[in-house]
Amino acid sequence: GENVEQHPSTLSVQEGDSAVIKCTYSDSASNYFPWYKQELGKRPQLIIDIRSNVGEKKDQRIAVTLNKTAKHFSLHITETQPEDSAVYFCAASSGGQNFVFGPGTRLSVLP
Amino acid sequence: KAGVTQTPRYLIKTRGQQVTLSCSPISGHRSVSWYQQTPGQGLQFLFEYFSETQRNKGNFPGRFSGRQFSNSRSEMNVSTLELGDSALYLCASSLTATSNYNEQFFGPGTRLTVL
Repeated sequence: GENVEQHPSTLSVQEGDSAVIKCTYSDSASNYFPWYKQELGKRPQLIIDIRSNVGEKKDQRIAVTLNKTAKHFSLHITETQPEDSAVYFCAASSGGQNFVFGPGTRLSVLP
Repeated sequence: KAGVTQTPRYLIKTRGQQVTLSCSPISGHRSVSWYQQTPGQGLQFLFEYFSETQRNKGNFPGRFSGRQFSNSRSEMNVSTLELGDSALYLCASSLTATSNYNEQFFGPGTRLTVL
């Protein structure tokens, strides 16, 4: 079955700097890759997603890149702000609603 | 439009008991998925229901079961509770299960503690 790895597990950046989180997946049939943000005590919320027919997608300060050949995708957050502090999860799906999640990255944005 | 709701929000049980958790999806959503979230294992997929049928199942023992009603509301049941079942149980709804391009909306979760 699918296996999703995520690195780093924790990440601290200075406010205004960029943050990059990387995920790799094992199932070449996976074709949908969402990213979720989970603040402390709250539910995961989708922040951006990418389909396998697209190499990059951007939404304001957030961007995601996908390399199908290497089976990895990355989340890029620019101009980080304290409210970006949260746990970020990547996920992969090859169909339906069966998502395999990465273990999460705890991002801390230091003022 | 109301979001995904889950009841109860908190639950304390003892080993050997059983528990039933409920999830009401966003109105019009027909797919409901369940996840177990623990600090050590992250978010793990339990199962997914669409039109009252289980379409996908994760790698969990048979003590974990679920069902979906005609109004798309879903319940999951855990029998013979073990200490390791203590976790946050999240459900997520999406519009349809026929395409994997549908965003999942998560509920607030039910935090289950097994003593």
